Amino acid sequence: EVQLVESGGGLVQPGGSLRLSCVASGFTFSNSWMHWVRQAPGMGPVWVSRMNGDGRSRNYADSVEGRFAISRDNAKNTLYLEMNSLRVEDTALYYCANSVNGRFVYWGQGTLVTVSS
Amino acid sequence: IVMTQSPATLSVSLGERATLSCRASQSVSSNLVWYQQKPGQAPRLLIYGASTRATGTPARFSGSGSGTEFTLTINSLQSEDFAVYYCQHHNDWRWTFGQGTKVEIK
Repeated sequence: EVQLVESGGGLVQPGGSLRLSCVASGFTFSNSWMHWVRQAPGMGPVWVSRMNGDGRSRNYADSVEGRFAISRDNAKNTLYLEMNSLRVEDTALYYCANSVNGRFVYWGQGTLVTVSS
Repeated sequence: IVMTQSPATLSVSLGERATLSCRASQSVSSNLVWYQQKPGQAPRLLIYGASTRATGTPARFSGSGSGTEFTLTINSLQSEDFAVYYCQHHNDWRWTFGQGTKVEIK
């Protein structure tokens, strides 16, 4: 059974930092493109970032470029998202997901990030 | 590319058909995916390639369209189908979702 379990969310002040983690199981993590997708309350999902299986290729949405950094540890089957210079508008539920041919097949249950003073 | 879904809310009775629309601001060929999201849950993949049902998607769900106009049809709505539905497009390394259509009980 495929499982993606996110952690690391919480309440942080504007300008602060957080590191999210996503532990994967049930599939070959090291071969998979992995993504972070966020969803603000009452809104649609928004793609944030992606990384390929060997960690050599990564991309970011314009809204987080330069502030967020995606990484992975294939030995631990874990995906990370380092978030810096957080803004109020970064408040959302953050999901990790894997993709196959552009579609998000498996999703975690998300970890909530709240940016507020 | 901007994905626009309509209507925002669709009120449907049990057993009836629901028709949801998704429009792309420019042609996306058949590169269109539909997800279902229930309260407190992550989105679930329903249909990809505009019309191919994902594993586990019931046959009452069907997708159609190409280019800029797409439709998700749910025949004979069941109680478990009341949810929010999102369309999504992927191009190179950008993924774009629509704002969603909520299917509610009439």
